Amino acid sequence: TQLLEQSPQFLSIQEGENLTVYCNSSSVFSSLQWYRQEPGEGPVLLVTVVTGGEVKKLKRLTFQFGDARKDSSLHITAAQPGDTGLYLCAAYSNYQLIWGAGTKLIIKP
Amino acid sequence: NAGVTQTPKFQVLKTGQSMTLQCAQDMNHEYMSWYRQDPGMGLRLIHYSVGAGITDQGEVPNGYNVSRSTTEDFPLRLLSAAPSQTSVYFCASSYSRQGYTGELFFGEGSRLTVL
Repeated sequence: TQLLEQSPQFLSIQEGENLTVYCNSSSVFSSLQWYRQEPGEGPVLLVTVVTGGEVKKLKRLTFQFGDARKDSSLHITAAQPGDTGLYLCAAYSNYQLIWGAGTKLIIKP
Repeated sequence: NAGVTQTPKFQVLKTGQSMTLQCAQDMNHEYMSWYRQDPGMGLRLIHYSVGAGITDQGEVPNGYNVSRSTTEDFPLRLLSAAPSQTSVYFCASSYSRQGYTGELFFGEGSRLTVL
């Protein structure tokens, strides 16, 4: 069974701090996606990374795909309360998405 | 823009009852799927469809049935509800016929409690 392990499971920080969350696996993936889910809603795609070593930026969010395409990280600079949510990583394998359990992020004002 | 619409948003069932969760999308997506989300376990695929008339099992299909008679609709049926099926259910669709390259668009979820 292929697994995507996300860490930490829970993170609570003050507004303005920086943070990094991780998505790791022992398997190689053709692509990896990050979604954000807010309470009472479905996940929404933030980014897809495809190439090993790829870095994508979305305002204060920086996503990186590992060189070996086995892992990814999400770095948030100067976190804001609007960044609060559940961050899920997902990777395609055998034409289906495998999901991590998520990192629950709370940004306190 | 409606996107993916799920009904009902909340439902309470007694053990053994049956019900159908409805899912409709207006984006002409070929790929549709049902997930359940439980605390600490992420999203688990129940069933999926790559087009009208085609369905297949996902990771946790037992206790659930699906059909895909039209491109727009993909209902999920619980034939005899069990407490283990208490969960939040999400319907998702994608442009890609095989769903393996594109963005998944999710509904708002249906919270089901089985007593």
